[in-house]
Amino acid sequence: NAGVTQTPKFRVLKTGQSMTLLCAQDMNHEYMYWYRQDPGMGLRLIHYSVGEGTTAKGEVPDGYNVSRLKKQNFLLGLESAAPSQTSVYFCASRQQGKGEQYFGPGTRLTVT
Amino acid sequence: RKEVEQDPGPFNVPEGATVAFNCTYSNSASQSFFWYRQDCRKEPKLLMSVYSSGNEDGRFTAQLNRASQYISLLIRDSKLSDSATYLCAVTSLGGYNKLIFGAGTRLAVHP
Repeated sequence: NAGVTQTPKFRVLKTGQSMTLLCAQDMNHEYMYWYRQDPGMGLRLIHYSVGEGTTAKGEVPDGYNVSRLKKQNFLLGLESAAPSQTSVYFCASRQQGKGEQYFGPGTRLTVT
Repeated sequence: RKEVEQDPGPFNVPEGATVAFNCTYSNSASQSFFWYRQDCRKEPKLLMSVYSSGNEDGRFTAQLNRASQYISLLIRDSKLSDSATYLCAVTSLGGYNKLIFGAGTRLAVHP
């Protein structure tokens, strides 16, 4: 039981490049989340999903898109990366009916 | 005003000390409360849920004060391994869909 996994662990992009971050969970959780964490800002919610095929915007959705084609996977896309998107990205999931979320190990993204 | 606020610290304490952190929240409709621990360059890990009646897990005690809208975490007999950042999290606008996180309180336990 791997829990929540994220790929890649690290990535460096040039401004304007695109990439997709993959989150996978094997706990059969309905809900999945993407956060970014910046120094002094805490965790901020980018997008989330309440089930397969559904997505919703969080606090800071601009510049990101997401897809949840399979229950176990939640993809975060950056179409045209900007230096302001340099951050650590965490994926999380939770079980329906419970509030606690479980996090993946994170992806460190640098945009130059 | 931020929805969830924490003192960023750092709290520098000797081994064996007792230390307490508070976390205030602004939404009185919040239903669920949690403490997470985050080590440097690692993901947040659930430390404990916070129940209305208060709860204890070994050296850790969590309490909720709904009237004053804050939660607290007490760590007794601090260990070097307790050094980390402690994040509080609160459900937003009732229901479980979203958690709002505080920016964290850093704890450094020294010999």
